[in-house]
Amino acid sequence: QLQLQESGPGLVKPSETLSLTCTVSGGSINSINYYWGWIRQPPGKGLEWIGNIFYTGSSYPNPSLKGRVTMSLDTSKNQFSLKLSFVTAADTAVYYCVEVDSSYYGMDVWGQGTTVTVSS
Amino acid sequence: QTVVTQEPSFSVSPGGTVTLTCGLSSGSVSTSYYPSWYQQTPGQPPRTLVYSTNTRSSGVPDRFSGSILGNKAALTITGAQADDESDYHCVLYMGSGIWVFGGGTKLTVL
Repeated sequence: QLQLQESGPGLVKPSETLSLTCTVSGGSINSINYYWGWIRQPPGKGLEWIGNIFYTGSSYPNPSLKGRVTMSLDTSKNQFSLKLSFVTAADTAVYYCVEVDSSYYGMDVWGQGTTVTVSS
Repeated sequence: QTVVTQEPSFSVSPGGTVTLTCGLSSGSVSTSYYPSWYQQTPGQPPRTLVYSTNTRSSGVPDRFSGSILGNKAALTITGAQADDESDYHCVLYMGSGIWVFGGGTKLTVL
C-alpha cells in the first residue's frame, strides 16, 4: 500500500526558500500511473494546489505562485521535492504531498502533512 | 482567473440527506473536469471520498455519492451521521496539468 511522508524544516525565514521532500513507500515514483503533487493549507483556510510532477520530470506548477515553485524527482531515493522561493508569512501552512492518479486525476493518497511557518 | 465555488457551510439533521455542490465562477462543471471530493476533520489530512465525478474511493461507504447536477458537481450524503461532521473539499482538473480547489464546505450535523 502506497504511503507518503513529508519532511523538511518547520521554520523558514522571510525571503528564503522553503524546501520539502516527500518519501514514497509501497510503490515506485517511476510510474506512468501517477503524478506526484503538493498541496497546502494555511491556518483556518482551504486547500491550495501547489503543483504536480510526472515521472518524466515534467512539472506543472500553480500559475498563481508566479514562478516561485520548483519540483523535482529523485528516483534513486524514491522521493520527490518541492522548493518555494521568496517566502512570506502568507506561505505559512500545512504542506501535504499527494499521489494523483494520471487516468482519473484524483488525489488518491495523502501524506500526513508538515507544518511550515515563515517567520524571522 | 477561474474560481471554484462551494457553499461555505451547510447543516443536516442526523439521518438526513444533504447535497454539497462544486461550481465554476464562469461556465459549467462537466465530467471532463474529473471532479473529486475530500473529507477533512481538524488536524487530519484530507481523506479521498470520490474521484472522477462518481467513483468512490476504496472503503468509502455507499451513502456518499458523486454526480453532476445541473451545471455543478455534487456530493450527496444520505443517512447523515454525527461523524460526517467535517470539512468537504472539491477539486477540478482544468487540463494542462492544472488543478483548482474550491474553498471548502463546513458541514454540521445537528
